Amino acid sequence: KAGVTQTPRYLIKTRGQQVTLSCSPISGHRSVSWYQQTPGQGLQFLFEYFSETQRNKGNFPGRFSGRQFSNSRSEMNVSTLELGDSALYLCASSLIWQNYEQYFGPGTRLTVT
Amino acid sequence: EDKVVQSPLSLVVHEGDTVTLNCSYEVTNFRSLLWYKQEKKAPTFLFMLTSSGIEKKSGRLSSILDKKELSSILNITATQTGDSAIYLCAVRFGNEKLTFGTGTRLTIIP
Repeated sequence: KAGVTQTPRYLIKTRGQQVTLSCSPISGHRSVSWYQQTPGQGLQFLFEYFSETQRNKGNFPGRFSGRQFSNSRSEMNVSTLELGDSALYLCASSLIWQNYEQYFGPGTRLTVT
Repeated sequence: EDKVVQSPLSLVVHEGDTVTLNCSYEVTNFRSLLWYKQEKKAPTFLFMLTSSGIEKKSGRLSSILDKKELSSILNITATQTGDSAIYLCAVRFGNEKLTFGTGTRLTIIP
């Protein structure tokens, strides 16, 4: 069974631009979570989607948004990019959203210049 | 505020040694605790521990949940250089969000 896939794997943007990252969960998984990983803050939860509905949201500004499609694929969008948004963005999928194992994708490395 | 703390922050041992990594948490309405291994890429799932499954084992790795002490340990026996990685602990609490610790960086010297 294929794992979680994320595209693109690497991205360079300039301040003020916006970016959209994509995540395809493991086949059959219906929940997708997004995380930001930086050397200083570690892994921080962004949001979680299940059945096209946002179930949980972390403490990030409104510039960070996401959505989930009927096929469980998810996208996250960051608008008005700041230098501090440079990070590894990880997507994880699980069978459903309540207390199940989460499996991570390879991540998208975003660099904001 | 819900909090997950891992110790030590880093650990260097020789191949063949046994290591114990710690994870403690201060969370309300505990649901589960997950361990991950992260090398130069995304975290790889190792174990999930819950109230109904407080001990897990896979090969040389094992983990125990101590609900009374609000902590968990991850043991690795007969360590190998391939065990070198950052080990992450994450706790899922009442509202289902996963909160991660900062990780323990384990280095195995041949």
